[in-house]
Amino acid sequence: ILNVEQSPQSLHVQEGDSTNFTCSFPSSNFYALHWYRWETAKSPEALFVMTLNGDEKKKGRISATLNTKEGYSYLYIKGSQPEDSATYLCAPNTGGFKTIFGAGTRLFVKA
Amino acid sequence: DSGVTQTPKHLITATGQRVTLRCSPRSGDLSVYWYQQSLDQGLQFLIQYYNGEERAKGNILERFSAQQFPDLHSELNLSSLELGDSALYFCASSDRRQNTGELFFGEGSRLTVL
Repeated sequence: ILNVEQSPQSLHVQEGDSTNFTCSFPSSNFYALHWYRWETAKSPEALFVMTLNGDEKKKGRISATLNTKEGYSYLYIKGSQPEDSATYLCAPNTGGFKTIFGAGTRLFVKA
Repeated sequence: DSGVTQTPKHLITATGQRVTLRCSPRSGDLSVYWYQQSLDQGLQFLIQYYNGEERAKGNILERFSAQQFPDLHSELNLSSLELGDSALYFCASSDRRQNTGELFFGEGSRLTVL
């Protein structure tokens, strides 16, 4: 069973703060890692997919890095806004057909 | 709009009953995934189909079954329902040919078992 850990479980920040979360996964048989954003009362939406060690992806104020050798990925949000409030999920893909999600980091951004 | 359609959106039923949840994947996607989200829990992987064949199984109960039809839509059947089966059930689809595995989620079917 693929063990995916995300930390912290939840995070409360003020508008304008920058923040980051961690996703840890087994480094063996790595194929790709996905980050999803899941807003309340909506369905998860893909943010990034990363495949190579050292990959760095950016979308607006959100960026992510990947270290496949040590089995972790960071998601950064610069200058958090209330609309960034959501649960951020990571999902490593080990090349099989399962896509297992971490429990997520729930971000609350206060105006 | 992800292009994935799930019906029904809401369903209320009694313990011991059986229900069927339906999912139509995005046009062209061959893979369908089912996930369960119980209260305050994350997304639990149930089962995955690719072009009509079961490809991966997660922690799916024996009371649950699924299938993918030739037109690629999928159904998740939940039987002998228990109170603990109350959850939001998501279907997702992907185009495995891209090998990125990015999933596109439907809006979910919320099941309440009374």
